[in-house]
Amino acid sequence: GAGVSQSPSNKVTEKGKDVELRCDPISGHTALYWYRQRLGQGLEFLIYFQGNSAPDKSGLPSDRFSAERTGESVSTLTIQRTQQEDSAVYLCASSLQVLGGQGTNYGYTFGSGTRLTVV
Amino acid sequence: AQSVSQHNHHVILSEAASLELGCNYSYGGTVNLFWYVQYPGQHLQLLLKYFSGDPLVKGIKGFEAEFIKSKFSFNLRKPSVQWSDTAEYFCAVNSWGKFQFGAGTQVVVTP
Repeated sequence: GAGVSQSPSNKVTEKGKDVELRCDPISGHTALYWYRQRLGQGLEFLIYFQGNSAPDKSGLPSDRFSAERTGESVSTLTIQRTQQEDSAVYLCASSLQVLGGQGTNYGYTFGSGTRLTVV
Repeated sequence: AQSVSQHNHHVILSEAASLELGCNYSYGGTVNLFWYVQYPGQHLQLLLKYFSGDPLVKGIKGFEAEFIKSKFSFNLRKPSVQWSDTAEYFCAVNSWGKFQFGAGTQVVVTP
């Protein structure tokens, strides 16, 4: 597709259940980012994938959060045993990143997000 | 359609010059407004945000932005840039929980 696609767009789940959020990046984009925004706050970095390199997981808030990416395609963010504080908009972004030196991001594009509500 | 427009795709300026990046949005109703920065090879970071109150918002690293409701604008400013401000800058609008980002402005500051 032409843009970054996220699904579902909205998810309501009961506390304690697991959820899986999906991100389809732009074809050819090697870098993929997950962020979240909780009510009243700015974007919070979660995890970053770049090609076949080990992902940067430094932003994951707890071991209930995990993410996978198959090659340079789809990524899934999984939240286990959801808590009410997990309620947020989860955003995915992808870009074509040039490696070497400081690296440069080209075509950085966001999806429209998944709104997760834990009740 | 609702949209966020950033006026410049590329800005090149010298150190100590003043910077102003334009952002206009087309949403009606209540919006939350943000400016984010992405330094080369890094993830996005929040520069500043506006939810309500004083329309002149001060952020990190000497940045500020002014919300002008009548113009649907939220322009970013910095009086004197440094080489380390070289980055891509994104304006974003959050309306009813949905995010919309501008296309970004690549800023290059030359020594």
